Amino acid sequence: DAGVTQSPTHLIKTRGQHVTLRCSPISGHKSVSWYQQVLGQGPQFIFQYYEKEERGRGNFPDRFSARQFPNYSSELNVNALLLGDSALYLCASSSLQGLTEAFFGQGTRLTVV
Amino acid sequence: GEDVEQSLFLSVREGDSSVINCTYTDSSSTYLYWYKQEPGAGLQLLTYIFSNMDMKQDQRLTVLLNKKDKHLSLRIADTQTGDSAIYFCAESLNRDDKIIFGKGTRLHILP
Repeated sequence: DAGVTQSPTHLIKTRGQHVTLRCSPISGHKSVSWYQQVLGQGPQFIFQYYEKEERGRGNFPDRFSARQFPNYSSELNVNALLLGDSALYLCASSSLQGLTEAFFGQGTRLTVV
Repeated sequence: GEDVEQSLFLSVREGDSSVINCTYTDSSSTYLYWYKQEPGAGLQLLTYIFSNMDMKQDQRLTVLLNKKDKHLSLRIADTQTGDSAIYFCAESLNRDDKIIFGKGTRLHILP
């Protein structure tokens, strides 16, 4: 069985640009969460989606948005990129909303220059 | 508010036991976790403990919870070179809530 897959694995963008990150959850999982991990820090919660609806939002500006598709895959969008958005973006999936065992993907390493 | 604190570095000799400590601020936290992150990799859930438990053991891993002091520890017995990683302590208030992570403890294994 495939685990949580994220694409792309690495990405370099310029300040002011827009980026879309993608996540495919484990087959059968309906909940997807996004986390931002800045170098040297722990992951910070950005969004949680369950059954295509936003169920939680962290303390991030409106430049960050996300959505979940009917097949439960998800996209994270970041507009007007800043240097400080450089981070590892992690996606986690779980079978039920809030199920303790969330499985994380390998992440997308975003570098903003 | 929610906050998780842990020491940033720990060095242990191969074969010894490693003990990684963590404190959390929210006494309402129901679930407490330990995650492992190896270089260039995502997060691997090692174990979790419910707040109504004092201890949980899983092979070489032992988790101890002191709810009164809001202190969580992870003991790794017979530490191996493959245990070298960053270990994150984390909490969530309930099953539907986001997970709050600490900054991570980098475990370095000495030969």
